[in-house]
Amino acid sequence: IAGITQAPTSQILAAGRRMTLRCTQDMRHNAMYWYRQDLGLGLRLIHYSNTAGTTGKGEVPDGYSVSRANTDDFPLTLASAVPSQTSVYFCASSPGGASYNEQFFGPGTRLTVL
Amino acid sequence: SQQGEEDPQALSIQEGENATMNCSYKTSINNLQWYRQNSGRGLVHLILIRSNEREKHSGRLRVTLDTSKKSSSLLITASRAADTASYFCATAPFSGNTPLVFGKGTRLSVIA
Repeated sequence: IAGITQAPTSQILAAGRRMTLRCTQDMRHNAMYWYRQDLGLGLRLIHYSNTAGTTGKGEVPDGYSVSRANTDDFPLTLASAVPSQTSVYFCASSPGGASYNEQFFGPGTRLTVL
Repeated sequence: SQQGEEDPQALSIQEGENATMNCSYKTSINNLQWYRQNSGRGLVHLILIRSNEREKHSGRLRVTLDTSKKSSSLLITASRAADTASYFCATAPFSGNTPLVFGKGTRLSVIA
């Protein structure tokens, strides 16, 4: 069982380019999340999905979009990357309701926007 | 905005000593969770304590929750070099469909 996988592991991207970070889980969890982690700012929620077909905005959603077409996949898209989106991005999932259960995290994607 | 705030921001201790980290939060919660993050890795869930619980143990971990003070503490006893990591608290609001809110973390260094 892989748990949660993220791709790519790292990426250097030119400003203005479009980029999709991939996240796949094989645990059949209902809820999925995208966070960014920046030094000194901790973990901040970008978008989340409580179940397939639904999404919600987190603390820092601007410049990002998500979709949840099925249970397993939750891609995060940067339509036009900017340097302030340089960060480490973590995908996570949880079995049931958004906050009643523990979250399982992927290994992260390190993104640098130049 | 982040609800959980960990204290201290950084902690350095000798192997064998106990490490205590604190978390304060602002609004009522359903539960509070502690996570660990090794450098360059994703977070790993350690323990969940519900609002009607006051103390919980898991191996060398002891978590307390004081809802009247809106605070929690994580105690790691007999620390090991392998405990070196960042530790985060996360608060779960009462609404089941509202995601966890993570604090900024405490960076623990255990010196062998």
